[in-house]
Amino acid sequence: DGGITQSPKYLFRKEGQNVTLSCEQNLNHDAMYWYRQDPGQGLRLIYYSQIVNDFQKGDIAEGYSVSREKKESFPLTVTSAQKNPTAFYLCARSRWRGGRGETQYFGPGTRLLVL
Amino acid sequence: KQEVTQIPAALSVPEGENLVLNCSFTDSAIYNLQWFRQDPGKGLTSLLLIQSSQREQTSGRLNASLDKSSGRSTLYIAASQPGDSATYLCVTSGGSYIPTFGRGTSLIVHP
Repeated sequence: DGGITQSPKYLFRKEGQNVTLSCEQNLNHDAMYWYRQDPGQGLRLIYYSQIVNDFQKGDIAEGYSVSREKKESFPLTVTSAQKNPTAFYLCARSRWRGGRGETQYFGPGTRLLVL
Repeated sequence: KQEVTQIPAALSVPEGENLVLNCSFTDSAIYNLQWFRQDPGKGLTSLLLIQSSQREQTSGRLNASLDKSSGRSTLYIAASQPGDSATYLCVTSGGSYIPTFGRGTSLIVHP
């Protein structure tokens, strides 16, 4: 699994519901990322975190929230404010050296569908 | 803002051909450029990472080059095989620390 796991593989959200996607890594990497992938588009960064208890917004953070209470965990909550949440969500990890991230390693992804 | 473009968007070739996938970027102030492979419905697998000070990287039948001054990277796939069929993505990382992905090249290698 490349040292990073995501669950669940598929997630269904009802209208107005908040849902949380799990991302866990076991290689003690500092940085973790959340991306959204839509058909025919590249990956877009939602949030990233370089260290515990700190995270930064990416290009499309509206309607999403994250936490980084532990180094190995970076859960993503899709809130009811996100009006078009149907997408494939990918989590990644990397070392953080010299003020920048290195090679990213991705999890298997979670596909979110709206009922 | 960095923009990454990949050409072609799709490619279908017979087995055995040598392939060239192109990636261009607008801001040359990058720290590194990475090529990934994605199979349908799966996560991304890292293929090659080129640091800004490097010109190329090789792994097996894959060779990636980087020309920062012209804002270009090329992924060469030698002697293509049906198992190479996937979407190939390039991504740059720069001063903003926000990685920027291209939309990918969808490759089909038929027997």
